[in-house]
Amino acid sequence: QSVLTQPPSASGTPGQRVTISCSGSSSNIGGNTVNWYQQLPGTAPKLLIYSNNQRPSGVPDRFSGSKSGTSASLAISGLQSEDEADYYCAAWDDSLKGWVFGGGTKLTVL
Amino acid sequence: EVHLLESGGGLVQPGGSLRLSCAASGFTFSSYVMNWVRQAPGKGLQWVSYISGSGSSTYYADSVKGRFTISRDNSMKTLYLQMNSLRAEDTAVYYCAKGSSSGYISPSDYWGQGTLVTVSS
Repeated sequence: QSVLTQPPSASGTPGQRVTISCSGSSSNIGGNTVNWYQQLPGTAPKLLIYSNNQRPSGVPDRFSGSKSGTSASLAISGLQSEDEADYYCAAWDDSLKGWVFGGGTKLTVL
Repeated sequence: EVHLLESGGGLVQPGGSLRLSCAASGFTFSSYVMNWVRQAPGKGLQWVSYISGSGSSTYYADSVKGRFTISRDNSMKTLYLQMNSLRAEDTAVYYCAKGSSSGYISPSDYWGQGTLVTVSS
C-alpha cells in the first residue's frame, strides 16, 4: 500500500485533457513539494514535473502540475498517443525521512 | 551528457548478499545527492535509500533498514548498494537516480536503466 494515493488508471482520447490526482498527508505533500514521473513501457522513469509545477527542459507545456494542501494533480492537455505511460507522484516524507511514491496511474489513450 | 549505468544484479538465494554499483558520468558526481529506487515486477516505484554528496548522510526505507547499506566513492564516481539478508520481496529492478542538487529534498532528474535482482531458491 502506497503512502501517496493515485487512481490506478485514467484514459482519454487524442486531443482531450486528462488529470491525475495524488493525495497525501501533512508529513509529505502538505509540507513538501511534489514531483511527477513518467514511465513509458519498458523504460526507466523520467522526471516530468518538479517543485509542484515546474517542467524540466524538454518537457512539453502540455504537461502541468498543481498542489493544494495535501493533494496534487497532474494535467495533460492535447493528449497524444505517445503519452500512454505510467505516471507516479512523489514527495519527501518528513516523518519517514524518505521519498514516498504514489502507486502509479496507468494512462491509456483510446 | 549525464549517464548512469547500474550493474551487479542477478539471481541470489534467500539470505544471500549482492552488491549493486552505479557508474556515473557527465556531471560533478560529488556535488549531487543520489538515491536507489526499486520496482518489483509489475508493481510501482519504491524508494530504497538516499546518500548525500559527501556520503556523510544516509537514509533508508524501513523495509531495508539494517540489511542494505548505501555508499559512494566520489573519486571513482560510483554509487553502491550492499544488500544483505535478501528476501523474496526484494526481487525488483533497482534504479540509481541522481538528485537535481545537493539538497536532500531534490527530485531525481536522471535515472539509470536499472539492474534486475531476483531472490529465489
